[in-house]
Amino acid sequence: AQSVAQPEDQVNVAEGNPLTVKCTYSVSGNPYLFWYVQYPNRGLQFLLKYITGDNLVKGSYGFEAEFNKSQTSFHLKKPSALVSDSALYFCAALNRNQFYFGTGTSLTVIP
Amino acid sequence: DSGVTQTPKHLITATGQRVTLRCSPRSGDLSVYWYQQSLDQGLQFLIQYYNGEERAKGNILERFSAQQFPDLHSELNLSSLELGDSALYFCASSVRDVVNEQFFGPGTRLTVL
Repeated sequence: AQSVAQPEDQVNVAEGNPLTVKCTYSVSGNPYLFWYVQYPNRGLQFLLKYITGDNLVKGSYGFEAEFNKSQTSFHLKKPSALVSDSALYFCAALNRNQFYFGTGTSLTVIP
Repeated sequence: DSGVTQTPKHLITATGQRVTLRCSPRSGDLSVYWYQQSLDQGLQFLIQYYNGEERAKGNILERFSAQQFPDLHSELNLSSLELGDSALYFCASSVRDVVNEQFFGPGTRLTVL
C-alpha cells in the first residue's frame, strides 16, 4: 500500500532554533512531494513542492525541504523558528493523480 | 483568504440523512478537489474534477458523490450518513492539474448525530 509517514506527532522547538519536521514516503514511481501547513480552524496552505531537479526546495515563509531519494524522505526545515510557525504540518505525495497524506505533525515553537 | 468558498460552515444532521456541500473555486481555477479530515483517518483525498470532468478518485465511499458544474462550482453529496462520516470536509482548487498549487477553502464541519 502506498503511504506517507510522519513519524513525529509533535515537535517542540525553541524560538530562533532550527526546526525539522520529518517525512518519509512509500509511493511507487517518482512521486511529486508537497508540504502543507494548517492553522487552527483553517484550511491547508501550500508551503512547497518537489517535482524534479535540485534536492533542496525553497518555499513560503522561509521554509525549505530536502529531498532524499535513497532514503525516500522529504524533511521540512527552517533555519530559525518563529512562534507564528506553530501549526499542523502535512506532508503529501502525488502519484497518478492520487494524493497520499501523512498524519500530520504538530509543531510548537516555544518563546 | 484563499479565494475558495465553501458553504455551509457547519452542518448538523442525523444518521441516514443526505447532505450537499458546496464549493466555489478561485476565479480562473479549473480543478476542484474534495478532502475529508477526521481524527481517526486523518486527511483523505476524495475526488478531483477538472473542467467539469472527473479526473481522479481517492478514498471516496460509494455513498458519496460529487460533480462540477459548468460555472465550475462543485458539490459533494453525502448520503445514508453514518456517525463515522462526521468530519471536516475541505474543498481546494488549482489552476489546472494536481501539480499546481492547491488553494484550500475554510471547510465544512459535518456532525452526524
